Amino acid sequence: QKEVEQNSGPLSVPEGAIASLNCTYSDRGSQSFFWYRQYSGKSPELIMSIYSNGDKEDGRFTAQLNKASQYVSLLIRDSQPSDSATYLCAVNQAGTALIFGKGTTLSVSS
Amino acid sequence: DTAVSQTPKYLVTQMGNDKSIKCEQNLGHDTMYWYKQDSKKFLKIMFSYNNKELIINETVPNRFSPKSPDKAHLNLHINSLELGDSAVYFCASSRAAGNYEQYFGPGTRLTVT
Repeated sequence: QKEVEQNSGPLSVPEGAIASLNCTYSDRGSQSFFWYRQYSGKSPELIMSIYSNGDKEDGRFTAQLNKASQYVSLLIRDSQPSDSATYLCAVNQAGTALIFGKGTTLSVSS
Repeated sequence: DTAVSQTPKYLVTQMGNDKSIKCEQNLGHDTMYWYKQDSKKFLKIMFSYNNKELIINETVPNRFSPKSPDKAHLNLHINSLELGDSAVYFCASSRAAGNYEQYFGPGTRLTVT
């Protein structure tokens, strides 16, 4: 059974702080990793994808992947109230669909 | 232009009815998906089509039948609706099957009474 685990939160950070979201996965054969943001009542929106070990930066977002530890994380620098949402970690093993975690709710207070 | 669109946005119906949800993507992608997000917000794959061919069929009651008339469209027909079918159904697409990024439609909120 392939699993993706996330802390459900809520994770509360003050405006301007760094938010750190974590995800672990069970399938060692997983090859691609994604972070989606979902606002209440809206659809998941892709914010980051990462395929190889290390860091990948895009604006205020940094995704980190450690395949040996089966661990993916998302850092959000200079957090803004508009970042308040549920963040979904998704993992894909080639030929299968995305397996989603249950999401971490982030709350950024001004 | 909306990349992945779904109709209807809301669907309220009674138990036992049959209903359909339609999805269209204008991204030129080859692969399309149906996901179900339950009341606990857990998002789970139901089906996937690659160039009109069914490639993923998760453990879903056979009351659910997807159809892909062409690679830009993927519809979901549900027979004999049950209370437990109430959820948000999302369509998504990706450039191809495998490790590609998936882009989601706005969702269809189905309520079965």
